Amino acid sequence: RKEVEQDPGPFNVPEGATVAFNCTYSNSASQSFFWYRQDCRKEPKLLMSVYSSGNEDGRFTAQLNRASQYISLLIRDSKLSDSATYLCAVNGGYNTNAGKSTFGDGTTLTVKP
Amino acid sequence: DAGITQSPRHKVTETGTPVTLRCHQTENHRYMYWYRQDPGHGLRLIHYSYGVKDTDKGEVSDGYSVSRSKTEDFLLTLESATSSQTSVYFCAISPPEGSEQYFGPGTRLTVT
Repeated sequence: RKEVEQDPGPFNVPEGATVAFNCTYSNSASQSFFWYRQDCRKEPKLLMSVYSSGNEDGRFTAQLNRASQYISLLIRDSKLSDSATYLCAVNGGYNTNAGKSTFGDGTTLTVKP
Repeated sequence: DAGITQSPRHKVTETGTPVTLRCHQTENHRYMYWYRQDPGHGLRLIHYSYGVKDTDKGEVSDGYSVSRSKTEDFLLTLESATSSQTSVYFCAISPPEGSEQYFGPGTRLTVT
């Protein structure tokens, strides 16, 4: 079993739709959680950190469920420009390996007109 | 955008030749990472560094070595390239106060 698992999709949604992705992790000691966005043939870029209380950035909402060991990303009012692959990342904790992330394989989203 | 560059951006090389990829940052961050990304495998950590001359192995380190003699540079070397090392290689940096990562633009390496 992979340490971090995502549904690869693809998710094909119309503009304006709401779409949600989940990411499960196996290490219960994980401390930090992130969502990254990766456009085709480009580098991943940090989309948002995921806090225990949940956090929102415009149309994007990220949540953490420690009991069930998953994080989620909700995108409301999808835009064509949201089409990308979304990667979740999980960090083990603050020690000499601080910042070392384990990434999911990514979920591909295509938003259609 | 974080000041992180990679060179070369594209490289084609023959099996058995040595290859060195360079990652350069202008952010003075302590942590640096090398990943490879392949279809069906996502991002996999090759090696990482938590300071000058301090490095450690990731999950796919066989066939790769790294060096970090200065804060700003992290080198990845394929001592004898194989076709299985054809991939896209990303360097990343992480600030000391957080654990999010910022990626370079990537190097596309083809081993023929």
